[in-house]
Amino acid sequence: AQSVTQLDSQVPVFEEAPVELRCNYSSSVSVYLFWYVQYPNQGLQLLLKYLSGSTLVESINGFEAEFNKSQTSFHLRKPSVHISDTAEYFCAVRETSGSRLTFGEGTQLTVNP
Amino acid sequence: DGGITQSPKYLFRKEGQNVTLSCEQNLNHDAMYWYRQDPGQGLRLIYYSQIVNDFQKGDIAEGYSVSREKKESFPLTVTSAQKNPTAFYLCASFPYGEGTEAFFGQGTRLTVV
Repeated sequence: AQSVTQLDSQVPVFEEAPVELRCNYSSSVSVYLFWYVQYPNQGLQLLLKYLSGSTLVESINGFEAEFNKSQTSFHLRKPSVHISDTAEYFCAVRETSGSRLTFGEGTQLTVNP
Repeated sequence: DGGITQSPKYLFRKEGQNVTLSCEQNLNHDAMYWYRQDPGQGLRLIYYSQIVNDFQKGDIAEGYSVSREKKESFPLTVTSAQKNPTAFYLCASFPYGEGTEAFFGQGTRLTVV
């Protein structure tokens, strides 16, 4: 069975500071990995995904995540955050041969001025 | 516009009543999911369906029922057997195939009084 652990439930940072949101997963087979973002009272939007190939993936708004197979991690980073990045972020995993999508508990990122 | 529509956005019911949450997609996606979201617990999988007339229980299926009579529709019924039904419910879909991500509806907030 697959599982996801997000190591921080809340991450407060100041505007323009760097941030890292940590995600570890567990699976006995190969997986796809995803980061989603959720704004209050809304659904989830895909931020970025790892399917195969380069272990570093980037989003259009400056976030990046690195797949580390040996450490079973997929941490999300941004070198300089904005107030508008305040949201809840979810890491998710799906086995390449399956359709079941499993989420972590979420990390609330709060960017303060 | 293509997308996933959940209705209604807010729903109030009296304790002991069954209630059905609607989820419709016009993306021609094969797989559909229902998740429940509670503060600090992330998204927990209730049911998922990979194909019409077939569905599987997720991690917290007790007290819920679903049907998948049409590819476009995956309604969720919250029955009176569900002990704590007040939550935010999210529906998602994705085209069953390699490397694809799930798309989410805007959610339904159910309050049982």
